[in-house]
Amino acid sequence: DAKTTQPPSMDCAEGRAANLPCNHSTISGNEYVYWYRQIHSQGPQYIIHGLKNNETNEMASLIITEDRKSSTLILPHATLRDTAVYYCIVRSASKIIFGSGTRLSIRP
Amino acid sequence: SAVISQKPSRDICQRGTSLTIQCQVDSQVTMMFWYRQQPGQSLTLIATANQGSEATYESGFVIDKFPISRPNLTFSTLTVSNMSPEDSSIYLCSVASGTDYGYTFGSGTRLTVV
Repeated sequence: DAKTTQPPSMDCAEGRAANLPCNHSTISGNEYVYWYRQIHSQGPQYIIHGLKNNETNEMASLIITEDRKSSTLILPHATLRDTAVYYCIVRSASKIIFGSGTRLSIRP
Repeated sequence: SAVISQKPSRDICQRGTSLTIQCQVDSQVTMMFWYRQQPGQSLTLIATANQGSEATYESGFVIDKFPISRPNLTFSTLTVSNMSPEDSSIYLCSVASGTDYGYTFGSGTRLTVV
């Protein structure tokens, strides 16, 4: 599975959009981009995934660049409950390998 | 998506002893996974639990230290053997949800070895 690179930490004001970047320059054609988050002391929670088209669901939007070498997770209106570690994962095979993730802090 | 029940939620154990962690899923799943999350770190995959065959271990993890059972399609156990304080971590099981939604995770077992 391709490796991903994320900034170790970010912060965002409550109510504003949080944009979390991820680089996956070695991604191959059949690998999906997945985003999970882990709120303190809980198991990781699925957020969204995509292959090459942009995706949106009730939690977030996923923007994937045309060359697929990077993506951005967008939380449109961040709240304090969005404080968590966010993991960007690229996978094609049957297992998920986690990188270091981005610790997102939401300030009031 | 699948619902996972993981037990115990936490335990404090003496060094040199073993702890078995259980993972029960509310539906049949082909693939189950065990992860370790050391304090302040990301998740590390320990092994894939295969029904009807031996588990497949990732580099750095061995069966003698982390024996895994998978007797059926809804249940698996992970044993942490001959524990030392370095084994203090959160251990999580995960299953492939059978949809494109990736994987569902249990709430984890917080293990402290003293």
